[in-house]
Amino acid sequence: QITLKESGPTLVKPTQTLTLTCTFSGFSFSTSGVGVGWIRQPPGKALDWLALIYWDDDKRYSPSLKNRLTITKDTSKNQVVLTMTNMDPVDTATYYCAHQRTMYSTDWNPFTWFDPWGQGILVTVSS
Amino acid sequence: DIQMTQSPSSLSASVGDSVIITCRASQNISSYLNWYQQKPGKAPELLIYAASSLQSGVPSRFSGSGSGTDFTLTISSLQPEDFATYYCQQSYSPLALSFGGGTKVEIK
Repeated sequence: QITLKESGPTLVKPTQTLTLTCTFSGFSFSTSGVGVGWIRQPPGKALDWLALIYWDDDKRYSPSLKNRLTITKDTSKNQVVLTMTNMDPVDTATYYCAHQRTMYSTDWNPFTWFDPWGQGILVTVSS
Repeated sequence: DIQMTQSPSSLSASVGDSVIITCRASQNISSYLNWYQQKPGKAPELLIYAASSLQSGVPSRFSGSGSGTDFTLTISSLQPEDFATYYCQQSYSPLALSFGGGTKVEIK
C-alpha cells in the first residue's frame, strides 16, 4: 500500500522561503519509472501542478513558477522536498504531494497519472 | 502550455441521473487525459486514466471517453457519494502538466 504525507510550516511570512517535505512508503525511487509530484490548490480554486521528480533525478517544473521552485529527493529517507522562494499571500494553498504512475506504451510518450495523493497541508502566507 | 477547459463549471443533478462532464484541450493530447474526484476537505482521487481506463476499485458507473481535444466523463445513475468536484488533467506534455478548472456536481 502506497502512502504519502506532507509536512512543513503552516504559516509563512511574505518573502520567506517555504520548504515542504513529502514522506512516503510503499514504493521506492530505486524502481524505474517512479515519480513524485507536487500540486497545490488555493482555497476554493482548482488544482495547480508545481513540480515533479523522477527515479533517475529528472526534474520538471511548472513554467510559470520554475524560477521559484526546487525539488529534490532523498532516496534513503523516502522523502521528496519542495522549496518555493519569495512567498506571497497568493501562494496560500493546500499543497499536495502525489505518487506518479507510469504506463509505457508503444508510443514515444508514456501515460502517467497521480495516484495516490497525500492528505495535503494548508500553507498560509501572511505577515 | 496546454490549457484544459472543463464544462460546465457546476451542475445540479438528482440521485439516479446520468451526468456528463466535458474537458477540452487547447491542442491534440491523444489519450493522455486523466480524471479525478475530490470531495470537500479531501485529497483528489483517481477515477480514470489514459482517457478511458477505469482505476481499480472505482465503480463501473464511471466511464471516460474521447481522444484528441475533446473528452467526457460520464456518471451513469448518480449516487449520493458522487457529489463532489471533478478535475481533468493532461499528461501529454510531461514538461508542463495541467489540470482543468473543475466541475462541481451538486445535489438538486
